[in-house]
Amino acid sequence: GDSVTQTEGLVTVTEGLPVKLNCTYQTTYLTIAFFWYVQYLNEAPQVLLKSSTDNKRTEHQGFHATLHKSSSSFHLQKSSAQLSDSALYYCALSDGSSGNKLIFGIGTLLSVKP
Amino acid sequence: GPKVLQIPSHQIIDMGQMVTLNCDPVSNHLYFYWYKQILGQQMEFLVNFYNGKVMEKSKLFKDQFSVERPDGSYFTLKIQPTALEDSAVYFCASSRDRANTEVFFGKGTRLTVV
Repeated sequence: GDSVTQTEGLVTVTEGLPVKLNCTYQTTYLTIAFFWYVQYLNEAPQVLLKSSTDNKRTEHQGFHATLHKSSSSFHLQKSSAQLSDSALYYCALSDGSSGNKLIFGIGTLLSVKP
Repeated sequence: GPKVLQIPSHQIIDMGQMVTLNCDPVSNHLYFYWYKQILGQQMEFLVNFYNGKVMEKSKLFKDQFSVERPDGSYFTLKIQPTALEDSAVYFCASSRDRANTEVFFGKGTRLTVV
C-alpha cells in the first residue's frame, strides 16, 4: 500500500540557518498530490504547501518543496529558519483514488533555537 | 482561514462505555473525514463521508465505530463500546471537493479509555 516516510523525528536548527525536512514515499498510483502540513502547538494541522507537478518548485511562507517522482521525494526546505517555524511538520500524499484520503508520515518536530 | 471545530478537546471514558466525538466542519464543505493518531504514530485515515453515506473506511474503522451527520449538524464519530486500544487523538477534517484538494483539520479530540 501507499506509505510516506519522514526519517527525522526531531530536527533542531539555529535561527537564521537553513533547514531541510525529508519526505519520501511509495505509491502505485499515477495521479497523486503531495502536501506538507504544519501543526503549531495547540493548533490544528494546516496545509503549508501542495504540489502535484513533477520537478516544479512550490513556495509558501518562505518554505519550498519540489516533487521529484524519479526519486519519490518531496523534501521541505527553508533558507533561513525563524523561531516561529518551530512546529510539527507532516508530509502527506493523496492518491486521488477515492474520497481524498490522505496518507501521512509520522511527522518531524522542528525546533528552532536562538 | 476556514476552521473545523471539535468538541470536546479531551475526553476520558470507562472501557465499555459509549462515546460520541463531535465535529463542526467548514460550512460549505461536502466531504468529511475522521483520522486517528495513537501517541508516537502517524495520523491514519478512518473514514470519509459524503451525502449522508460512508464512502470509504479503513481496517481501523471497527464495527464498534459509526459516523453520521444528521440534518447538517455536527459530524459525529461514535464508538460503542469503547476499548483500551481506542485511546488516541481523533482528528476531524473536511474538504469542499473530492480529489486532491485541501483538507482542513480540527485540533483533535484526545480520547482516553480507562
